[in-house]
Parts: sequence; C-alpha cells; structure tokens
Amino acid sequence: QKEVEQNSGPLSVPEGAIASLNCTYSDRGSQSFFWYRQYSGKSPELIMSIYSNGDKEDGRFTAQLNKASQYVSLLIRDSQPSDSATYLCAVFREYGNKLVFGAGTILRVKS
Amino acid sequence: DGGITQSPKYLFRKEGQNVTLSCEQNLNHDAMYWYRQDPGQGLRLIYYSQIVNDFQKGDIAEGYSVSREKKESFPLTVTSAQKNPTAFYLCASSILVGVGNTIYFGEGSWLTVV
Repeated sequence: QKEVEQNSGPLSVPEGAIASLNCTYSDRGSQSFFWYRQYSGKSPELIMSIYSNGDKEDGRFTAQLNKASQYVSLLIRDSQPSDSATYLCAVFREYGNKLVFGAGTILRVKS
Repeated sequence: DGGITQSPKYLFRKEGQNVTLSCEQNLNHDAMYWYRQDPGQGLRLIYYSQIVNDFQKGDIAEGYSVSREKKESFPLTVTSAQKNPTAFYLCASSILVGVGNTIYFGEGSWLTVV
C-alpha cells in the first residue's frame, strides 16, 4: 500500500463545473496536508495547506480533511481550462520527518 | 525577488560522469531539500538539510551526494554510481523541517543521460 494514494486520472470536467480531487493516506498520525498544482514540465506550486478536520476555503479552492477516514480532498469550483494540470497531494509524516507525495491526479478542463 | 534558483535548467550527462546541480535560495529558510520526479510518479526525497553543515539521506540517496556549506546553497551531485539518473530534479526549501512547515520549490532541472 502506498503511503499517499491518488487516482491518476485523467479527470475530465467541463468548464464551469466543480472538479473533485481525492487523496487517501496511510499514516494515521499525520498532521499536515498540502495540495500542489503542477503544470506539464514545471515545478509544483502550493495551492493550499490544511491541518484541522473540516473545510478550508481559498477563492475557488476548498480543501477538505477527514482524519478519521484518512482522507483529504480538493474541490475546484467554476473550473477553468487554466486549471488543467496535475494535482499532487502531500502528507507530512512525523515519523522520519518527511513530506510524502502522491503520484498526482491529472485534471483536464474542457472549454 | 525572493525565491529558489536552480541551474542549469537542462543538463546532459555522459555515462560515467558526475554532474552537479545548483540550488540557491534567498528566502532565509533553514531547511532545504532535493527531490526527484520520474514520469507518472510522485516526488521522491533524495536528501534534505535542516541546518548548515548537516544533511540527512532521504528515500533514494544512493548515487547522489550533497553539501550544505552555506545557508543559501544546497548543491546536488549526481555521481556515476546513479545508474538511472534521467529525471526531473527539484530543489525546495522551508523555514524549518517539521509539522506545519510549507515546502516551496524551485523551477527544476532536467537531467538526461546521453
């Protein structure tokens, strides 16, 4: 079992729709969770971080965390073609003091 | 502008050669990292450093070496012992290593073996 799992996609949504990206993790003691966006050939850029159970909103982005289910998600409202990218989920594992990345989900927003 | 600068952006290595990737940051961050990314895979940690003159192996350190002589600089050497070095290499930094510390990335370096 991978430490951080994401569906590789591609996830295709029409422009203006809500894109829902999901991530599960195996270390129950994890405390910090991050979503990065990576355009093809570019480096990852931070979208959001979340540390507490519940929702955290920032503009069109909402991160959701459920530690009991070991599940973190990212919702993108009013999806735009410019949102087309790979979205990486990252979980900080205290054992080993390490940020562990999932393989990413490819999102395609069709205009 | 504050940020993390990696060079070169593209590098070609012949079999048996060592090559060094440069990473400089002016964010005043104590922690620096090197990750490797292969197509369709997540980022894998090569080495990290929490403070000057100290560094720790990550998950895939074999065939790589680093130094941290200055707070701002964390160069990565890909040695000839690394049998499959073709990949996208990412340098990153954070204020500290630990819970709640966000990692920021440089623009990356593409290394190809020819």
